[in-house]
Amino acid sequence: ILNVEQSPQSLHVQEGDSTNFTCSFPSSNFYALHWYRWETAKSPEALFVMTLNGDEKKKGRISATLNTKEGYSYLYIKGSQPEDSATYLCAPHGGYQKVTFGTGTKLQVIP
Amino acid sequence: EAGVAQSPRYKIIEKRQSVAFWCNPISGHATLYWYQQILGQGPKLLIQFQNNGVVDDSQLPKDRFSAERLKGVDSTLKIQPAKLEDSAVYLCASSRDRFNEKLFFGSGTQLSVL
Repeated sequence: ILNVEQSPQSLHVQEGDSTNFTCSFPSSNFYALHWYRWETAKSPEALFVMTLNGDEKKKGRISATLNTKEGYSYLYIKGSQPEDSATYLCAPHGGYQKVTFGTGTKLQVIP
Repeated sequence: EAGVAQSPRYKIIEKRQSVAFWCNPISGHATLYWYQQILGQGPKLLIQFQNNGVVDDSQLPKDRFSAERLKGVDSTLKIQPAKLEDSAVYLCASSRDRFNEKLFFGSGTQLSVL
């Protein structure tokens, strides 16, 4: 079972502010890292699946970077909006190993 | 394409009772997952199927939980007998394959054990 840590656990930001979260995972036996957004009363939704060291992915105002050598990924949100309020989950996995989720970062964007 | 279907959406039972959850994955998805998410924690994998075979059930409490995926399509997860600590959201997800493919989640079942 992979030891996945996400920080911070929760944060509040003002509308328009940019923010970022961290996902840390064991760098050995890495295969892929997933990021998901889970809004209240909805299903978790995939944001990114990243596999290559140095990879950077972008979806609208949200982007993510990956460092497999040191075992971390950053998720950035530029110009946060109230609709960005959700729990952001990262999930690394090592090939045949299970997709293991972190505890998530709960973001609240204040209008 | 149709999403992952799960039912029921909510279930309230008393401890020691039995409960079953049903999941219909996206058509053509070979891998099916059942996750348990307890408030304040990340989703925990209970069981993972590849077609109709079990890939991982290392965190499934087998004395009370069981799951099957008949014909490699629909799946059911059963708890018998339920305990208070089983109160959680049970999420079903599917993916085309089990490697670097993203997971598609159902709406989940909120289980309350009283």
